[in-house]
Amino acid sequence: GAVVSQHPSRVICKSGTSVKIECRSLDFQATTMFWYRQFPKQSLMLMATSNEGSKATYEQGVEKDKFLINHASLTLSTLTVTSAHPEDSSFYICSAPSGRDSTDTQYFGPGTRLTVL
Amino acid sequence: GDSVTQMEGPVTLSEEAFLTINCTYTATGYPSLFWYVQYPGEGLQLLLKATKADDKGSNKGFEATYRKETTSFHLEKGSVQVSDSAVYFCALAGGTSYGKLTFGQGTILTVHP
Repeated sequence: GAVVSQHPSRVICKSGTSVKIECRSLDFQATTMFWYRQFPKQSLMLMATSNEGSKATYEQGVEKDKFLINHASLTLSTLTVTSAHPEDSSFYICSAPSGRDSTDTQYFGPGTRLTVL
Repeated sequence: GDSVTQMEGPVTLSEEAFLTINCTYTATGYPSLFWYVQYPGEGLQLLLKATKADDKGSNKGFEATYRKETTSFHLEKGSVQVSDSAVYFCALAGGTSYGKLTFGQGTILTVHP
């Protein structure tokens, strides 16, 4: 099946620095990708929809200046956590749908564990 | 807004036991319903889905039926295996929100030999 990769899988950074996380669809094109955040023992919370060629759409309560999203190509979306703080520590997951229908299968990346010291 | 509620875990079973993980939802319109599974160290994978009322999704011995009257999509398996140990997420996709998934809180399943 289709594969979505994320890089890095794990990152530790100092408070105040910025961290970039990449999400790639390896064998299919994705005009739309989704970024989720997962807290320990909690569900996935949708942060934003990444749109190739246009601005990302952020969910209510998500700071767009804090979480910068760039959908540079049909196979790559990046999430940059700017001026990271310990409360940004979390598990970030991206996904890409296989088609244009809301019932289409979503392919998920393996996630990126961010720890901010 | 849309929401999904799963039974709280963790769930611990012996091999060959019967599994039920309850899932209920609240949504406007006619959502599609999904079960995703996350094996240790891996990303989420689609386990099964149903797109309209009374549809039954099935895969790898797991089944779930879309019940509109009870707004439920309970996951069942007649005989679990150790390899089924994972985290299971119920989710819905609203008809007007392309691709956006709303997840339940996840249920950790551990199966012992």
